[in-house]
Amino acid sequence: AVRVTQSPSSLSASVGDRVTITCRASQGITDDLAWFQQKPGRAPELLIYSASTLQSGVPSRFSGSGSGTDFTLTINNLQPEDFATYYCLQDYNYPYTFGQGTKLEIK
Amino acid sequence: QVHLQESGPGLVRPSETLSLTCIVSRGSVSGGGQYWSWLRQPPGKEPQWVGYVEDGERPNYNPSLKSRVTITLDTSKDHFSLRLTSVTAADTAVYYCAREVRVPGRLGKYYFDSWGQGALVVVSS
Repeated sequence: AVRVTQSPSSLSASVGDRVTITCRASQGITDDLAWFQQKPGRAPELLIYSASTLQSGVPSRFSGSGSGTDFTLTINNLQPEDFATYYCLQDYNYPYTFGQGTKLEIK
Repeated sequence: QVHLQESGPGLVRPSETLSLTCIVSRGSVSGGGQYWSWLRQPPGKEPQWVGYVEDGERPNYNPSLKSRVTITLDTSKDHFSLRLTSVTAADTAVYYCAREVRVPGRLGKYYFDSWGQGALVVVSS
């Protein structure tokens, strides 16, 4: 199975900041990577798929980049509702595998 | 937008079988191009992909669970189901049903566009 290493595991930031979360795959996965946001007690919500395609309805302050093994989620101008846990998912091959998560907290 | 809702027991005894159903509304499980999926998330951990079924195709399962898991589709009732046999405490998790749909213009590529709210299943005697 493809292993996905996500970093950092936690991150403190302030409203208005720009933050970056990274995922590294154990082998090349082209651009088959998605990003999810999860709030406590809720299902994950899709932000980005195919590494850089913004899901409908997701604010444009979220962006994704990368291909091959290294991927980045960037959130510009952090808003209060963005403080949550973020996961990446490789959907290049089966079994799909998730990163370990990044908990974004208010500084 | 399709709506998914999990249902089933919240408590299962060790060694018994976990059974959950996902009811699909504002959409249909019939027809290809939709992967009806199950994922689970143990407390405090990342989600884990369990498997999926597509109308008219064989299911695809996570090898780590393959000997114990069955996912079936009922097109007459617009729902799909998960069975996991011989459960242990390690199977305690929030179980989510979800749908994958085709990425426009990308042959063979899919993405998760809808999730249920999740159902907590605790394995305990």
